[in-house]
Amino acid sequence: NAGVTQTPKFQVLKTGQSMTLQCAQDMNHEYMSWYRQDPGMGLRLIHYSVGAGITDQGEVPNGYNVSRSTTEDFPLRLLSAAPSQTSVYFCASRNLLGMNTEAFFGQGTRLTVV
Amino acid sequence: AQTVTQSQPEMSVQEAETVTLSCTYDTSESDYYLFWYKQPPSRQMILVIRQEAYKQQNATENRFSVNFQKAAKSFSLKISDSQLGDAAMYFCAYRSLLTQGGSEKLVFGKGTKLTVNP
Repeated sequence: NAGVTQTPKFQVLKTGQSMTLQCAQDMNHEYMSWYRQDPGMGLRLIHYSVGAGITDQGEVPNGYNVSRSTTEDFPLRLLSAAPSQTSVYFCASRNLLGMNTEAFFGQGTRLTVV
Repeated sequence: AQTVTQSQPEMSVQEAETVTLSCTYDTSESDYYLFWYKQPPSRQMILVIRQEAYKQQNATENRFSVNFQKAAKSFSLKISDSQLGDAAMYFCAYRSLLTQGGSEKLVFGKGTKLTVNP
């Protein structure tokens, strides 16, 4: 099982450039989410989705865009990269229904904006 | 909104000894999940242990156990017989039982960096 796959693992962008971080899961999970991890801040929720066609904002959504056209994929778009978006980004997915539904994380993308 | 606090930015332990990582949280809900995640240098987030708030019994997974004090809103992680491979960042996280209105999210603490000394 591939689980949650994020690409790329590393990326360097120039200020103002745009890019898309890819996230795919093969577990048929309804819930997918994007977090950013900054030193001393823990993980903070950017955007999330509870199913295809449904997305909503998390704690720190500014500067990011998402869409969910399929159950499997949940890309995160940086519209105009800023140095403040230098961070490690994690995608996570899980089932919504049932008890004890564990969240599965991708391996993260380290993004540097110069 | 729920918050999770980890008051120890860094901890260290000697190999084979026991260490306890602290976590407190704030919520008005009565039913929820609590988690401890481990993040080694590889960056991978690994679920260590999970506790359901409606269960009085503390969760245990091999050398890892929790002390869940619901009234005090405390959820500490005890690592027994510490091994070099336990060195990592440890994150405490909260999740509501509700499945609507954005309540599905994990709320993380800021993490505790654990060093294991040989």
